Amino acid sequence: GAGVSQTPSNKVTEKGKYVELRCDPISGHTALYWYRQSLGQGPEFLIYFQGTGAADDSGLPNDRFFAVRPEGSVSTLKIQRTERGDSAVYLCASSSLGLPQETQYFGPGTRLLVL
Amino acid sequence: DQQVKQNSPSLSVQEGRISILNCDYTNSMFDYFLWYKKYPAEGPTFLISISSIKDKNEDGRFTVFLNKSAKHLSLHIVPSQPGDSAVYFCAASESGSARQLTFGSGTQLTVLP
Repeated sequence: GAGVSQTPSNKVTEKGKYVELRCDPISGHTALYWYRQSLGQGPEFLIYFQGTGAADDSGLPNDRFFAVRPEGSVSTLKIQRTERGDSAVYLCASSSLGLPQETQYFGPGTRLLVL
Repeated sequence: DQQVKQNSPSLSVQEGRISILNCDYTNSMFDYFLWYKKYPAEGPTFLISISSIKDKNEDGRFTVFLNKSAKHLSLHIVPSQPGDSAVYFCAASESGSARQLTFGSGTQLTVLP
């Protein structure tokens, strides 16, 4: 079956603009995660959804970042007033039930460049 | 403060030999550890995991060792193959309410033919 997909694969924007990044999880997976990977670093957790609700948003860096998952499937990560420091690869992952020690399957990421 | 550390940014190994990738952690609440492998322009792919109740887990050419007292884990790949060349990330999680993975900064493994 299809894996996690993310669109767009690349996004270039100007400082101060608004961007939306989309994630399609594996079909039937109830848990969805967003991570951010800066150059030379490992992925850093942003937010975790269980179904439609954000179960843990402790990794969101500030209130410019927001994510939704209105129907419990596709999720959108929204970044307002983008800054150059937001440039990174944004990774989405999903897992079947969101249980402890469950494997998280990652998408290919969206590479965001803020000029 | 990095809770998961991979101190070797790169490692080169001859094909057929053993590759050993190391990882240290500081958070004693971590009880589940994973290794992910990442090729360029792709997302991380799950490789192998180990629970803190074990000290070794093996899957084919890949073995992960956990030393809880030293807060250290390692991934052994035997024999190494050129297709194993990738960035390897160590990750850890707690089995409480948190589901987030905490990653190290990765080690670039190059297997030379």
